[in-house]
Amino acid sequence: DQQVKQNSPSLSVQEGRISILNCDYTNSMFDYFLWYKKYPAEGPTFLISISSIKDKNEDGRFTVFLNKSAKHLSLHIVPSQPGDSAVYFCAALRLNSGGSNYKLTFGKGTLLTVNP
Amino acid sequence: NAGVTQTPKFQVLKTGQSMTLQCAQDMNHEYMSWYRQDPGMGLRLIHYSVGAGITDQGEVPNGYNVSRSTTEDFPLRLLSAAPSQTSVYFCASSYSGGIREKLFFGSGTQLSVL
Repeated sequence: DQQVKQNSPSLSVQEGRISILNCDYTNSMFDYFLWYKKYPAEGPTFLISISSIKDKNEDGRFTVFLNKSAKHLSLHIVPSQPGDSAVYFCAALRLNSGGSNYKLTFGKGTLLTVNP
Repeated sequence: NAGVTQTPKFQVLKTGQSMTLQCAQDMNHEYMSWYRQDPGMGLRLIHYSVGAGITDQGEVPNGYNVSRSTTEDFPLRLLSAAPSQTSVYFCASSYSGGIREKLFFGSGTQLSVL
């Protein structure tokens, strides 16, 4: 049972335009949602996160939107740059009673290609 | 800064062989974990550790053993390799305390089991 779903395996956009990467989840108990970025032959790197009590978090060109009623989040990259070309993983975690958690659940990833 | 270091980067094994994937971090992180990435499957948690001497199973622990004798090192052992363990393996660590979502990943070990 896949709890975090990224239904688009790939996305291609033009440089300077907006990239929108989507993620759906099934577990309403998730407390945090995260995006990781991965270049070939490298490990994933943390990009941005959002708490389940918020609906938007922004960091420079990157904004994550959360729609809890739809169990949907999206990552917006504006403007897109060729260096943004990578695989983007959506992930979620549920806090335990102690306020920390060690198990991230990842989606399958979306390959973003930004064309010059 | 070295961060999270994984060795080897590539490894080919025959079915039934054993080996250890090494992982070391120099950031004094309490939390360390192992993930595997398979095509079309995303990243799946194998085992994790919240400190020296403490380990627990993740989503796909079968066929793998771990131990954590020091804060810095978290090796992953394959006792009897199987073709189903062909994958890219990532070690990750994060800060102690607070929300541990900001994982720092190593560059990965690509393992092929023939």
